[in-house]
Amino acid sequence: QITLKESGPTLVKPTQTLTLTCTFSGFSLDTTGVGVGWIRQPPGKALEWLALIYWDDDKRYSPSLKSRLTITKDTSKNQVVLTMTNMDPVDTATYYCAHARYSGSYYADYWGQGTLVTVSS
Amino acid sequence: QSVLTQPPSVSGAPGQRVTISCTGSSSNIGARYDVHWYQQLPGTAPKLLIYGNSNRPSGVPDRFSGSKSGTSASLAITGLQAEDEADYYCQSYDSSLNYVFGTGTKVTVL
Repeated sequence: QITLKESGPTLVKPTQTLTLTCTFSGFSLDTTGVGVGWIRQPPGKALEWLALIYWDDDKRYSPSLKSRLTITKDTSKNQVVLTMTNMDPVDTATYYCAHARYSGSYYADYWGQGTLVTVSS
Repeated sequence: QSVLTQPPSVSGAPGQRVTISCTGSSSNIGARYDVHWYQQLPGTAPKLLIYGNSNRPSGVPDRFSGSKSGTSASLAITGLQAEDEADYYCQSYDSSLNYVFGTGTKVTVL
């Protein structure tokens, strides 16, 4: 059974760098066609896809945030790490990681519980 | 601002049929990228409801169905139930913006 869990700080200060870790089980990120994505949701607002890393280490980023985001994987640890630089209060959101697979486009079929990150001084 | 537009809200009485539209463009839905749908109950993580335009994952009731035509997609809920009250999001791929979600629709059961 596939499970994912996000971990990282719950509070960061403006201008700091956020590092979130997604630890997963039940699948390997070495498997062809598999991906892990990061999605966020500000309080009361819509979902926003941030980044996706594929089994072959290819990556896709939201163009509006690309300059601030880095996604990496550690297959031996079953982890995916997202870093976001220069955090701002508007980045306050629940951050989710998700297992992704392909059917005409990638979609998230298993989600973590999410972690709320607040940006405040 | 999302490139996939959904109505902010839809409502219906128990047992009724409601539909949620997801309007895109030639760079996403119209470019033949598949559309997927998620249900988000209050305070919980989103759950996959429909993948590949019209496929239901195991465990999703057949009251939920999806379709796609041209630059739009739709999610239909038949036999609306109180437990269906939630936020619903469409999602696809855009050739310029990569992965994108819709603006979200709140379904209210009257």
